[in-house]
Amino acid sequence: DAKTTQPTSMDCAEGRAANLPCNHSTISGNEYVYWYRQIHSQGPQYIIHGLKNNETNEMASLIITEDRKSSTLILPHATLRDTAVYYCIAHRGQAGTALIFGKGTTLSVSS
Amino acid sequence: GAGVSQSPSNKVTEKGKDVELRCDPISGHTALYWYRQSLGQGLEFLIYFQGNSAPDKSGLPSDRFSAERTGGSVSTLTIQRTQQEDSAVYLCASSFTGLNTEAFFGQGTRLTVV
Repeated sequence: DAKTTQPTSMDCAEGRAANLPCNHSTISGNEYVYWYRQIHSQGPQYIIHGLKNNETNEMASLIITEDRKSSTLILPHATLRDTAVYYCIAHRGQAGTALIFGKGTTLSVSS
Repeated sequence: GAGVSQSPSNKVTEKGKDVELRCDPISGHTALYWYRQSLGQGLEFLIYFQGNSAPDKSGLPSDRFSAERTGGSVSTLTIQRTQQEDSAVYLCASSFTGLNTEAFFGQGTRLTVV
């Protein structure tokens, strides 16, 4: 799976949108962009994933550039409970490939 | 079950003892992962099971670590002759196979080697 690069940390004010970037310049055509987060002392939680098109669910939106070399996870109205480490992973999601986590971005939401 | 279940939730063991950690994946999930997370560190991939295929053991840190998955369901991670550096949270995840899938994680087993 392709390597991803994320900033080490980011801050966001409560109620504002949190925009978390991810670079995946070597992503291949059959790799999806997945986002997970890990709140302190909990197991990781799936957020969203996409291939080419932008995606939205109840948790977040995922914006993928047309060349697929980067993406942005958007939490539209960040709350204190969104403070977590956010992981961006390029993954084929099929047999024979393990899901490998990088260091992620530590998002701190403050009031 | 509703989600991935791991047991025990906490385990304290003496250095040199063997331990077994259990993971019950979500019913029907054919893929199962084990990870290790030391205090303040990221998720370290250990091993990946996919259906009847040979597991990907590339992340196991030493031959003291082994894992098996019986009947394509429950998995056991075994650590022999535990060392203090084995102290960590061990996380299990499961998923369906195929494209467009997401992994579901358990709450982990916190292992402390004293």
